[in-house]
Amino acid sequence: DGGITQSPKYLFRKEGQNVTLSCEQNLNHDAMYWYRQDPGQGLRLIYYSQIVNDFQKGDIAEGYSVSREKKESFPLTVTSAQKNPTAFYLCASSLTTGTGADTQYFGPGTRLTVL
Amino acid sequence: AQKVTQAQTEISVVEKEDVTLDCVYETRDTTYYLFWYKQPPSGELVFLIRRNSFDEQNEISGRYSWNFQKSTSSFNFTITASQVVDSAVYFCALLRRMNYGGSQGNLIFGKGTKLSVKP
Repeated sequence: DGGITQSPKYLFRKEGQNVTLSCEQNLNHDAMYWYRQDPGQGLRLIYYSQIVNDFQKGDIAEGYSVSREKKESFPLTVTSAQKNPTAFYLCASSLTTGTGADTQYFGPGTRLTVL
Repeated sequence: AQKVTQAQTEISVVEKEDVTLDCVYETRDTTYYLFWYKQPPSGELVFLIRRNSFDEQNEISGRYSWNFQKSTSSFNFTITASQVVDSAVYFCALLRRMNYGGSQGNLIFGKGTKLSVKP
């Protein structure tokens, strides 16, 4: 089945550690996104990528880094510079038809907790 | 500025009741797109509908219907004869074009409305 997978589902990090969240899609989508969700809040964009080897900062990129070496994969690293990383992280992907209106489809999310 | 407001934080209904979730948006774009997503307790966002700004026809899909009104900048979502499985957080979102000139958009989300349907 086509879809977006994220791993792990739950992740615990000690302060000062970097952690990497995985996002893989087999939908043949060109664009991929990372969002952060805090309790009682909507989602906020961290990074996005429209094509391989290219990515752009979103609204809250500080303390995060990404790479896009393969079309299918868009891992997110939460660095020690992120002051409040405890949150629910959602990855999404979409086609790029050129209309700027392509629907984004989401993965199941990773819940990160800093101990 | 672009913004989405979902004024209802939580709604609780009894099964089989109809319920309407409100969404008000702000944008200066003449062409824009609006979305509704459902987030069940499992956490994954499930796409429900996309609406173009130039198409004001209401849409019905089974027990779900959407009322888009540009005059009031609203895109409300109604569930008819609600069921326990409808319990979730529902997000309204507005698509914003990326600043650097790319053709893809970024979703601006409201804070969501938590719907609880009791048996």
